[in-house]
Amino acid sequence: AQSVTQLGSHVSVSEGALVLLRCNYSSSVPPYLFWYVQYPNQGLQLLLKYTTGATLVKGINGFEAEFKKSETSFHLTKPSAHMSDAAEYFCAVGREDSNYQLIWGAGTKLIIKP
Amino acid sequence: EAEVAQSPRYKITEKSQAVAFWCDPISGHATLYWYRQILGQGPELLVQFQDESVVDDSQLPKDRFSAERLKGVDSTLKIQPAELGDSAMYLCASSLPGLARDEQYFGPGTRLTVT
Repeated sequence: AQSVTQLGSHVSVSEGALVLLRCNYSSSVPPYLFWYVQYPNQGLQLLLKYTTGATLVKGINGFEAEFKKSETSFHLTKPSAHMSDAAEYFCAVGREDSNYQLIWGAGTKLIIKP
Repeated sequence: EAEVAQSPRYKITEKSQAVAFWCDPISGHATLYWYRQILGQGPELLVQFQDESVVDDSQLPKDRFSAERLKGVDSTLKIQPAELGDSAMYLCASSLPGLARDEQYFGPGTRLTVT
């Protein structure tokens, strides 16, 4: 069965510091990978996605993620954290043979310290 | 920019009462999903529609939950009777048909509190 693991339910960084949110997946076939962001009491918004091609994917708000097949990872990074980045971040995996459903990680809450 | 609409945004109800949530997906999106999200957790799929047909409702507690999408456009999720454990965010999402690589677009959600 597929699964998605996000390491760290909470990550705290200082404003201006590097943001690194970790996501590992298990899948026997090449997956499609997504990162979503959720602000308090709101729905989820797509940050970026990997389907095929270039393994370094750039998204909105300065975020990017790199697909590493050998490590089954899709970690999310941002060079310099901003207070407005405080939110919950979800990694998800999709496959063609799974009714187009996404398997979701448990989420990582990003806390920005002033 | 087209958005997924949901109403109401917030709902407070007493245990054993009936509640209903409404979702209007992005025009042209044939696939519609209802999720439940408990605070601090990822979304849990309740039901998936392709047009007006249910694709997957294996995680829907059918003794109290029902969902419909009669004309293949908007959808309603109902809980009757509501229980304390149903307190959660209910999210609706839609996507273009047929491709796992297409992202899901989410509405703002309905925050349900059962007292």
